[in-house]
Amino acid sequence: DGGITQSPKYLFRKEGQNVTLSCEQNLNHDAMYWYRQDPGQGLRLIYYSQIVNDFQKGDIAEGYSVSREKKESFPLTVTSAQKNPTAFYLCASRSGTEAFFGQGTRLTVV
Amino acid sequence: GEDVEQSLFLSVREGDSSVINCTYTDSSSTYLYWYKQEPGAGLQLLTYIFSNMDMKQDQRLTVLLNKKDKHLSLRIADTQTGDSAIYFCAESMGNYGQNFVFGPGTRLSVLP
Repeated sequence: DGGITQSPKYLFRKEGQNVTLSCEQNLNHDAMYWYRQDPGQGLRLIYYSQIVNDFQKGDIAEGYSVSREKKESFPLTVTSAQKNPTAFYLCASRSGTEAFFGQGTRLTVV
Repeated sequence: GEDVEQSLFLSVREGDSSVINCTYTDSSSTYLYWYKQEPGAGLQLLTYIFSNMDMKQDQRLTVLLNKKDKHLSLRIADTQTGDSAIYFCAESMGNYGQNFVFGPGTRLSVLP
């Protein structure tokens, strides 16, 4: 079945560590996105990529990094520079008018 | 600027209709969307409407768009307990969607 898969579902990070969240899609979509969700707030755009080997900063890119070496994959690294990383992270891919979301990764700093 | 606003909470009785409202500020929005999020899950696209339409109906869902007032609503007929979730309004501008802007979400609680 076609879809977009995020892993892991839950992730725990110690302060000062970098962690990488995985996002894979087999929908053959060119555009992919990372959003952060905090309680009571809408989704905020971290990074997006319209094509392989190209990506752009969103509204809250500081403390995050991405790569887009393959069309299917758009991993997000949360670096130690991100001071408040505990949140729910959502990956999406887009074709035409519709965006499809993964099931999310909940990151907690311990 | 771009901003999407929604009320944060709505409670309805099972079997009643629910109406979730949204206002947006950018008149150049091409498409407007409603997404549903169940606890601990990603967002599921419910429906969307092109900006030159004023109404779209899909089974129990009716979307109304008042472009003059920049107001979008989602009506759910015969609301069921399975409809309890957070509903996000979103606007998208341009072909690449980099300006997908989401509202804060409305938490719908369906009471038995």
